[in-house]
Amino acid sequence: DGGITQSPKYLFRKEGQNVTLSCEQNLNHDAMYWYRQDPGQGLRLIYYSQIVNDFQKGDIAEGYSVSREKKESFPLTVTSAQKNPTAFYLCASRSRGSSYEQYFGPGTRLTVT
Amino acid sequence: QKEVEQDPGPLSVPEGAIVSLNCTYSNSAFQYFMWYRQYSRKGPELLMYTYSSGNKEDGRFTAQVDKSSKYISLFIRDSQPSDSATYLCAMTIPSGAGSYQLTFGKGTKLSVIP
Repeated sequence: DGGITQSPKYLFRKEGQNVTLSCEQNLNHDAMYWYRQDPGQGLRLIYYSQIVNDFQKGDIAEGYSVSREKKESFPLTVTSAQKNPTAFYLCASRSRGSSYEQYFGPGTRLTVT
Repeated sequence: QKEVEQDPGPLSVPEGAIVSLNCTYSNSAFQYFMWYRQYSRKGPELLMYTYSSGNKEDGRFTAQVDKSSKYISLFIRDSQPSDSATYLCAMTIPSGAGSYQLTFGKGTKLSVIP
């Protein structure tokens, strides 16, 4: 089945620790995105990548880092510099031929205490 | 003023009712208008998209865009309990070099009561 996988579904960390969220897609999509979703806040763009070895900051990149070493993979690291890391994190991808449709993964719920 | 405004609800309706969900926007450069449905603790899935002003129908769902008023709507006819979800409006704007970014509304949580 083609799609986007995110793991794990739930992640718990202690404050001060970095944590990396996984995102893999087998849709052969060029562009990939990371969003953060908080209750009542909608989706906010953290980082996006249009091509391997290239990525750009979104609206709320502070405290996050990404890499894009392979087309299929776009991991997100939540660093200790992120002041409010507890949230639902969504990864998405888009085909080069589409100007609108982004396909979303199932999300990772990160809780930092 | 945020670029996309959406009433977060919650909205509760009886089964069979007609549901109207709405978003307003301020940026006239938005090109594609979409509605995503998100079930609890799941990723959003694209429900409908439109490009021009007017109506687009798909089964029980109708998406409506009024570019002159910067207003979009999603209508759900004969609503079912399975329609209970959060509905997010989203709009695209070109961001250079063939890239498009989505701007989302905050989402409206809908509950359809049997």
